Amino acid sequence: ETGVTQSPTHLIKTRGQQVTLRCSSQSGHNTVSWYQQALGQGPQFIFQYYREEENGRGNFPPRFSGLQFPNYSSELNVNALELDDSALYLCASSFSDPRDTQYFGPGTRLTVL
Amino acid sequence: AQSVTQLDSHVSVSEGTPVLLRCNYSSSYSPSLFWYVQHPNKGLQLLLKYTSAATLVKGINGFEAEFKKSETSFHLTKPSAHMSDAAEYFCVVSKLTGGGNKLTFGTGTQLKVEL
Repeated sequence: ETGVTQSPTHLIKTRGQQVTLRCSSQSGHNTVSWYQQALGQGPQFIFQYYREEENGRGNFPPRFSGLQFPNYSSELNVNALELDDSALYLCASSFSDPRDTQYFGPGTRLTVL
Repeated sequence: AQSVTQLDSHVSVSEGTPVLLRCNYSSSYSPSLFWYVQHPNKGLQLLLKYTSAATLVKGINGFEAEFKKSETSFHLTKPSAHMSDAAEYFCVVSKLTGGGNKLTFGTGTQLKVEL
């Protein structure tokens, strides 16, 4: 069974640029959630995708957007990067039952200069 | 709104002594609660979860947690700490959002294990 994978592992961008982060779900999972973890803090929910549709969103501006593909993999896009976007971005996959466990990938460390 | 409060930001124990990481929750309905662990530069690993079955939940690596509704607590314990337990621990509550669920994390407890 393949776990959740994310790419790239590290990324450095400058303010104002755009970035795309990628996530491959664990085999059989159809739901993907994205979280932002700033240094020294707990992860914050960005949004969740199910059947290629956004299925819940946290308190993040519209410049954070996402996609889910038919194979359930997902992308997180951030436009107009700001310094405060520097964080570890975590992807989690699960089944669609709300009681199911979310399994996390290793994350992408984004640094905005 | 759902939330969790981790009462200690740092806990230090000696190897072989018990571990207690404290968590209180707030929820308008019967919650699903989790403990996740994060080792340095690693992703999050599920230790255990409570979803309204047995109130005493056993997890991996000898950890367990007890759901106490009267105290709105979900403390994590382990009888004997090991050096490899040193990590950041997060108490998490799940909220339903439409057809899925959103995890709300506490601020974390850094566990240090000393010889």
